[in-house]
Amino acid sequence: DIQMTQSPSNLSASVGDRVTITCRASQNINSWLAWYQQKPGKAPKLLIYQASSLESGVPSRFSGERSGTEFTLTISSLQPDDFATYYCQQHNTYPYTFGQGTKMEIK
Amino acid sequence: EVLLVESGGGLVQPGGSLRLSCAASGFTYMDYWMAWFRQAPGKGLEWLGNIKQDGSEYYAPFLSGRFTISRDNAKNSLYLELNSLRPEDTAVYYCARGRVEHWSPPIFDYWGQGTLVTVST
Repeated sequence: DIQMTQSPSNLSASVGDRVTITCRASQNINSWLAWYQQKPGKAPKLLIYQASSLESGVPSRFSGERSGTEFTLTISSLQPDDFATYYCQQHNTYPYTFGQGTKMEIK
Repeated sequence: EVLLVESGGGLVQPGGSLRLSCAASGFTYMDYWMAWFRQAPGKGLEWLGNIKQDGSEYYAPFLSGRFTISRDNAKNSLYLELNSLRPEDTAVYYCARGRVEHWSPPIFDYWGQGTLVTVST
């Protein structure tokens, strides 16, 4: 199985901060990586697909990049609504696998 | 509006079976992949399997054949049959829609609210 190593596991930040979450794949997944946001008791919400494509309706402060097998999700200016848990997921190779998640909290 | 509504969760004893359903609306169901995921309490997300428009199925190997995904395109419905349930299968189970863009693998753009399955005596 492809391992997705996501860091950090926890992130404490303030409104207005620029934050970056990293996900590293254990082997090549091309650009088939998605980022999701999940709030407590809610379903995941797709933010970014194909590593860097912004899902319709998602604010432009979210962006994604790929460098080889390393992927990043950046939020350019944190808003109060952004405090949540974020997951990466590869869907290049079965079985599809997720990173362990990054819980973002208010500093 | 795309809507996915899961049902069928509940309390079941170890070794038991359960059938989850996912009712889809707001889109042409037969044109999309569908998938099941789960999330154990306080844990991360886990992919269980996909089903293509034509009914072809793909599963996570750790399931060892205990779970079966099916779909009924006439009823706009997705199903997950869970057998030989174990306490570690306790989780919220989500269905999701998979869209394809330019020969991509399915991109899971809409998710249901989830249904809780608890496996316990």
